[in-house]
Amino acid sequence: DTGVSQNPRHKITKRGQNVTFRCDPISEHNRLYWYRQTLGQGPEFLTYFQNEAQLEKSRLLSDRFSAERPKGSFSTLEIQRTEQGDSAMYLCASSPQESPKNTEAFFGQGTRLTVV
Amino acid sequence: GDSVTQMEGPVTLSEEAFLTINCTYTATGYPSLFWYVQYPGEGLQLLLKATKADDKGSNKGFEATYRKETTSFHLEKGSVQVSDSAVYFCALYFGNEKLTFGTGTRLTIIP
Repeated sequence: DTGVSQNPRHKITKRGQNVTFRCDPISEHNRLYWYRQTLGQGPEFLTYFQNEAQLEKSRLLSDRFSAERPKGSFSTLEIQRTEQGDSAMYLCASSPQESPKNTEAFFGQGTRLTVV
Repeated sequence: GDSVTQMEGPVTLSEEAFLTINCTYTATGYPSLFWYVQYPGEGLQLLLKATKADDKGSNKGFEATYRKETTSFHLEKGSVQVSDSAVYFCALYFGNEKLTFGTGTRLTIIP
């Protein structure tokens, strides 16, 4: 297993278009997290899954955002009707246990979205 | 809510210099504390962590001590190398099932 994989690495889209990102976590990791990172800022939590259940969504996740993890393995993050303010790095992380308190959250390299 | 305040960068040091990156936190209780590092072109990696007061996390020559009295978790290294050039993030976890990150400090080491 080579770690958390995110695709695509880069995405340029026109304002108003829909985009979808994929995250493949480390095998058998129960927890999967999505974060957003804008330039000069730290990662901000968006949502997380415990297996296939989406347990929490940040207020940052507007109605245009939706995330799924249908089989408890890979996850997708879709942004509808993209806006320039959506331009950011979208990070995925996975964790082997129920919380990151006593274990490491492993991050992917991220998908950089540019909305023009 | 929980938050992390991190020393603003960028920080530029000469090789073999002593490094300190300050981090303080606000939390209702006793969180676990982390330092993550992001090397150019790579994802975030856990550098070290401490889960209770007075614990010292250490890795790759870096150290940080969990200070409850000052709510701090400053990152230190006695002699930095060019390969330490990266962005460093302080983070906390406390019962809300997610990591809360600081804004990051970009470190550049000059040969």
